[in-house]
Amino acid sequence: DQQVKQNSPSLSVQEGRISILNCDYTNSMFDYFLWYKKYPAEGPTFLISISSIKDKNEDGRFTVFLNKSAKHLSLHIVPSQPGDSAVYSCAASASNYQLIWGAGTKLIIKP
Amino acid sequence: KAGVTQTPRYLIKTRGQQVTLSCSPISGHRSVSWYQQTPGQGLQFLFEYFSETQRNKGNFPGRFSGRQFSNSRSEMNVSTLELGDSALYLCASSLVGTTDTQYFGPGTRLTVL
Repeated sequence: DQQVKQNSPSLSVQEGRISILNCDYTNSMFDYFLWYKKYPAEGPTFLISISSIKDKNEDGRFTVFLNKSAKHLSLHIVPSQPGDSAVYSCAASASNYQLIWGAGTKLIIKP
Repeated sequence: KAGVTQTPRYLIKTRGQQVTLSCSPISGHRSVSWYQQTPGQGLQFLFEYFSETQRNKGNFPGRFSGRQFSNSRSEMNVSTLELGDSALYLCASSLVGTTDTQYFGPGTRLTVL
């Protein structure tokens, strides 16, 4: 039972445009969400997080939106840059219990 | 500050053998978690150690075990290897736990033949 789903295995976006990565979850008890990105041959690196008491969190070019009623999370990257090409994974936890991870979306930024 | 290191980076074993993977966390981090990643799957949580105690465990068979030493270094052991154990094994360290910002190592790529 996949509690965290990233339905798009890959996404291709033109440089300078907005990248929108989506994540859906099923467990209404999840109260903390994170995004990590991963380059080939490296471990994932933390990008941005959001708690369920907020619906938006911004950090530079990266914004995470949380829609609790739809159980949907999205990551917006504006503007997209070539260095953003990576695999992006969302993860969720309930009350500081272990993280449940999505399968990841490979983002390709085209020049 | 040095990052999380994992050794070895690549490993080839045959079915039935056992393997030990090592992880050295960032200095000062007391939590070490282990994950398995297979193609098309999200990270699957194996276990978390904090101050030498296993604090959390995922849904993996008992063939997967681990330990943490007093210097916070951790080892993961897989006994009686199966073909399905072929995966990237990632170690992550953090100050207090898995929902804290985790810092990942580059992983150990295990291939079971």
